[in-house]
Amino acid sequence: GAVVSQHPSRVICKSGTSVKIECRSLDFQATTMFWYRQFPKQSLMLMATSNEGSKATYEQGVEKDKFLINHASLTLSTLTVTSAHPEDSSFYICSAIFVKLEGNSPLHFGNGTRLTVT
Amino acid sequence: DQQVKQNSPSLSVQEGRISILNCDYTNSMFDYFLWYKKYPAEGPTFLISISSIKDKNEDGRFTVFLNKSAKHLSLHIVPSQPGDSAVYFCAASITGTYKYIFGTGTRLKVLA
Repeated sequence: GAVVSQHPSRVICKSGTSVKIECRSLDFQATTMFWYRQFPKQSLMLMATSNEGSKATYEQGVEKDKFLINHASLTLSTLTVTSAHPEDSSFYICSAIFVKLEGNSPLHFGNGTRLTVT
Repeated sequence: DQQVKQNSPSLSVQEGRISILNCDYTNSMFDYFLWYKKYPAEGPTFLISISSIKDKNEDGRFTVFLNKSAKHLSLHIVPSQPGDSAVYFCAASITGTYKYIFGTGTRLKVLA
């Protein structure tokens, strides 16, 4: 099956610093990658969609200057949380997909990153 | 506006019995539906999907049923095993958008 690797799995940082999270598709080329955030006991909330070589599309309410997304290749996307604050503490999950010309494809998720900002 | 709803936050089932997880949606444009399983501190794992041209899809112990008129889908797990204990999310999408809307999840506990 499709494998998506996310790193790091857990990070603790101080308020005001930046944190970079990497997402890699290991055995397929991901035309599109998605970044989700999950609050405790809540659903997965889509933050942004990134296509290789183009700017990310952010969902309403997500600050693009705070959550920088780079999708430099078909196998790598990064999310940088800039000037992190305690309210940014959350579980961030990336997912990747190979967009077919026809039909549908399921999302394949990484294992997530637990970010704690102190 | 929650377009995909899982009204049962939790469910307990005895090992060997059937687990039935339910999901309702409001957007009649959705035509692709998926179920994911999630363990704590891990990303969701894809289980099974169904397109709106079908009303049933089966994969081993997992079967998804779709009732388009009721805008309802369900996931049946039979027989349930303790390893099935996890949070299950349903998701819906419109073909071609690749935007997946997730429900809030149902925590399944399978008792040995």
